[in-house]
Amino acid sequence: AQSVTQPDIHITVSEGASLELRCNYSYGATPYLFWYVQSPGQGLQLLLKYFSGDTLVQGIKGFEAEFKRSQSSFNLRKPSVHWSDAAEYFCAVGAINQAGTALIFGKGTTLSVSS
Amino acid sequence: EPEVTQTPSHQVTQMGQEVILRCVPISNHLYFYWYRQILGQKVEFLVSFYNNEISEKSEIFDDQFSVERPDGSNFTLKIRSTKLEDSAMYFCASSEGPVGQETQYFGPGTRLLVL
Repeated sequence: AQSVTQPDIHITVSEGASLELRCNYSYGATPYLFWYVQSPGQGLQLLLKYFSGDTLVQGIKGFEAEFKRSQSSFNLRKPSVHWSDAAEYFCAVGAINQAGTALIFGKGTTLSVSS
Repeated sequence: EPEVTQTPSHQVTQMGQEVILRCVPISNHLYFYWYRQILGQKVEFLVSFYNNEISEKSEIFDDQFSVERPDGSNFTLKIRSTKLEDSAMYFCASSEGPVGQETQYFGPGTRLLVL
């Protein structure tokens, strides 16, 4: 069965420091992978997605993620974190069927940014 | 930018009562979804809906749940007889195509509290 693991429940990063949020997935075929961000009281906003092609994908707000098939990973990175990046981050994998797709989410990583 | 909207933002109900959560998907989207997030847990898939019928549902989506697209713009989730464990944030999502091709866009959620 498909699953997503986000090993870090909570991470604190200093403003201006680099960030890496880990995501490992289990999926039998080529996965469709996503990172969503949820700010307090807000819905889930798509940061970036991987469907195929270049394994390094760029997203909004300066985020990027790298798909590594050999490690079953899709880690999210940002070179310099801003205080406004404090939020909860969810990695998700697309479980395909013909007429729509369920997203399987990880438990999320809460990012705090210290000044 | 078009967005998914949900009403109400918060709902409090008594155990055993029926609730209807409403969503207005993005207008040209064809695939619709409900997810829920119990406090402190991960986002879980409930159901996907395409071409006026359920295309996939999770084991959470039992006979107490139903979905409907009553008028071509709204997409509703009904819980017939709420239980305490139905307390959660419910997210609606929509996409133009199946996730292998298109992104799911999420609404801000409805927080349901069952007393």
